Amino acid sequence: DTAVSQTPKYLVTQMGNDKSIKCEQNLGHDTMYWYKQDSKKFLKIMFSYNNKELIINETVPNRFSPKSPDKAHLNLHINSLELGDSAVYFCASSPGFGEMNTEAFFGQGTRLTVV
Amino acid sequence: EDQVTQSPEALRLQEGESSSLNCSYTVSGLRGLFWYRQDPGKGPEFLFTLYSAGEEKEKERLKATLTKKESFLHITAPKPEDSATYLCAVQGIQGAQKLVFGQGTRLTINP
Repeated sequence: DTAVSQTPKYLVTQMGNDKSIKCEQNLGHDTMYWYKQDSKKFLKIMFSYNNKELIINETVPNRFSPKSPDKAHLNLHINSLELGDSAVYFCASSPGFGEMNTEAFFGQGTRLTVV
Repeated sequence: EDQVTQSPEALRLQEGESSSLNCSYTVSGLRGLFWYRQDPGKGPEFLFTLYSAGEEKEKERLKATLTKKESFLHITAPKPEDSATYLCAVQGIQGAQKLVFGQGTRLTINP
């Protein structure tokens, strides 16, 4: 059983379009994240939700809007896509605050290409 | 601001040739230091968490150690299947559980 799953794995779209990436975790974790990995392989946090509440928003353009319908799901919607949005987007989850072990578990990534 | 620097950027070894990867960090209070392995086209796979200076953890041919300024990932007698990018990340006590990653070390083990 996949612990953190993202769909789609690949996404090719034109500039100006709106797209969504979905993420689900079956680990029972309270905290979920979106990370972006650029062409130089740097992984950088974008958002974090704890029990459906936004707790981290790292100066991401407001064209990016995360939504957490419940603590097992965190989706990412991107409006008016730009060429610079091309990257690999990773969803991750970890146990909630106050837990002893806080390691994050990652999905397989969504490779977004904007043309 | 929390920062992580990994070295070398790339490392090529022969099978059986032991070596170490370095992760230097600055953080305003360390909650944890994490090592991940990433294979091409896949998400990072969790390896270890280290919480305090002097702590060591082992898994098969890998051993991670931690000081107050850096962590080492020692690889003993590596095999070709150990080839991957190894990522180091820190979590600060004020970072609301976010991970700050280094740029990774791309390790290649030749048979």
